[in-house]
Amino acid sequence: EADIYQTPRYLVIGTGKKITLECSQTMGHDKMYWYQQDPGMELHLIHYSYGVNSTEKGDLSSESTVSRIRTEHFPLTLESARPSHTSQYLCASSHERVQGSYEQYFGPGTRLTVT
Amino acid sequence: QKEVEQNSGPLSVPEGAIASLNCTYSDRGSQSFFWYRQYSGKSPELIMFIYSNGDKEDGRFTAQLNKASQYVSLLIRDSQPSDSATYLCAVAFGNEKLTFGTGTRLTIIP
Repeated sequence: EADIYQTPRYLVIGTGKKITLECSQTMGHDKMYWYQQDPGMELHLIHYSYGVNSTEKGDLSSESTVSRIRTEHFPLTLESARPSHTSQYLCASSHERVQGSYEQYFGPGTRLTVT
Repeated sequence: QKEVEQNSGPLSVPEGAIASLNCTYSDRGSQSFFWYRQYSGKSPELIMFIYSNGDKEDGRFTAQLNKASQYVSLLIRDSQPSDSATYLCAVAFGNEKLTFGTGTRLTIIP
């Protein structure tokens, strides 16, 4: 099981502010992911990374950006928060248990509210 | 488009009974299948994974995979109130990304 940490756990912020959601994992996993999930709704992949200096956009278009300068750290940034960004943001990392099969483990999430 | 379909429920099961959750997927080339449990307001927790046809048992949980029919199921025996949650089926379509179903909400009735 992976140890994945997300901070802050809860954030209430005003429109137009820049925010960075932190995600760190201690298991040395190469692959990391960001998902967005509204209450009672499905998970949407918004960003992923296969390793240092590798980032890709996910299936759901997002105004956020990510960086991967260190293996253990995968922060997500919103340059100008808007009420439409209100959601839960989940970070995950994965490792290859058997060849070609990757198990994803999730952090506790950050619940973002933009007023 | 690769799809994962689940009955959204809610599924209500009496305490002590067997809960059966089903999932179908669109791509025959899918390799890996996962079940996650998500309590309200919490993040998903991996509870089962299965790669080969047949059954895989872990405690009260059994995952069943039928690649020919493109479905994967999760059985929960001796259901407990603590099993009440949303169960997410996830499928890896040949790469490191997972496609999640919309989840089935399960309620265990004491």
